[in-house]
Amino acid sequence: KAGVTQTPRYLIKTRGQQVTLSCSPISGHRSVSWYQQTPGQGLQFLFEYFSETQRNKGNFPGRFSGRQFSNSRSEMNVSTLELGDSALYLCASSSGQGSYGYTFGSGTRLTVV
Amino acid sequence: QKEVEQNSGPLSVPEGAIASLNCTYSDRGSQSFFWYRQYSGKSPELIMFIYSNGDKEDGRFTAQLNKASQYVSLLIRDSQPSDSATYLCAVVPTSGTYKYIFGTGTRLKVLA
Repeated sequence: KAGVTQTPRYLIKTRGQQVTLSCSPISGHRSVSWYQQTPGQGLQFLFEYFSETQRNKGNFPGRFSGRQFSNSRSEMNVSTLELGDSALYLCASSSGQGSYGYTFGSGTRLTVV
Repeated sequence: QKEVEQNSGPLSVPEGAIASLNCTYSDRGSQSFFWYRQYSGKSPELIMFIYSNGDKEDGRFTAQLNKASQYVSLLIRDSQPSDSATYLCAVVPTSGTYKYIFGTGTRLKVLA
């Protein structure tokens, strides 16, 4: 069974640009969450989707957005990139409501220069 | 006060010893608790979860939950060098059913 697939693995962007990250959950999983991981703040929740609906959103500015498609694949977008957006962005999927834990993808390492 | 707190470590234990990792949380109504392991440069992987007060064992791992004292711990018996990693505690608060709040993790070093 394939795991959670995130693309691309690495990205280098310039301040002010925008970026789109992609996540394909484990087959059959309908819940997808996104997290930002930085050395200083650790793992911080961005948002969670279930059946194309955003059920929860973390405390991030509106520049961070996401969506989920009918096949459960998800994308997150960051507009007007700032240096502080440099981080590892992790996608995680679960079969239901996350009650039994999420499975993480390998992440996308975003560097903003 | 942070919502989920862990000692950053490093916690160093000799091979074969018991490693004890602790986590405290602030939301008294939290219902679900998870332990993840993250190797350097890798993504977190789920070790185990616990919902009820008491102990839950899975192989060399035991999770302990005390809701009255608002702490959850992870014991690793017969620690191996391969257990050297950062251990992340995650809590689902009552206000957000699908949102995990992570601690910043405890770095464990098992010395051969």
